[in-house]
Amino acid sequence: AQSVSQHNHHVILSEAASLELGCNYSYGGTVNLFWYVQYPGQHLQLLLKYFSGDPLVKGIKGFEAEFIKSKFSFNLRKPSVQWSDTAEYFCAMGNTGFQKLVFGTGTRLLVSP
Amino acid sequence: NAGVTQTPKFQVLKTGQSMTLQCAQDMNHEYMSWYRQDPGMGLRLIHYSVGAGITDQGEVPNGYNVSRSTTEDFPLRLLSAAPSQTSVYFCASTSGVMNTEAFFGQGTRLTVV
Repeated sequence: AQSVSQHNHHVILSEAASLELGCNYSYGGTVNLFWYVQYPGQHLQLLLKYFSGDPLVKGIKGFEAEFIKSKFSFNLRKPSVQWSDTAEYFCAMGNTGFQKLVFGTGTRLLVSP
Repeated sequence: NAGVTQTPKFQVLKTGQSMTLQCAQDMNHEYMSWYRQDPGMGLRLIHYSVGAGITDQGEVPNGYNVSRSTTEDFPLRLLSAAPSQTSVYFCASTSGVMNTEAFFGQGTRLTVV
């Protein structure tokens, strides 16, 4: 069965600290991977996506993620967080074609000024 | 450019009542889907559609009904609301072209009392 695991449920950081959120997936075939962000009271917005090619993908707002196939991982990183990064972050997996997404349980990030 | 539009934004129902959550997209996307978001569980797929006239069940379909009479609209019906259906509901659409992401609506916060 397909699944996505996010091991950090709550993360609290100070501004300018570095961020790494873990994401592991379980699927035997070709996968497409996504990180979505949900700011308080808002809908999900795409941060970045991986379909193929360079395993290091860059997204909006200084975020990046690295696809490591051997570890079934797609961790999200940002070298220096800002207060405005306070949000919930979801890792998601979709197989090719329809993009029927399987989501992780989410990580709530709180950045203190 | 409206994208994916959901109505209503908020709704309170009594147990046993029925209602329809509306979803419309103006991007001519083939694929549409409904997710529910619950604390600590991420987003889970309720129903999806790969085109007008074609629908299928997702991970948590019980208690919900869908239809897709046009490309633009994908309503979600609660036949007899239960407190377990208290959740935030998101509609999403995807173009169907390879390697594209899902776009989400603003969400509907539903409370069943």
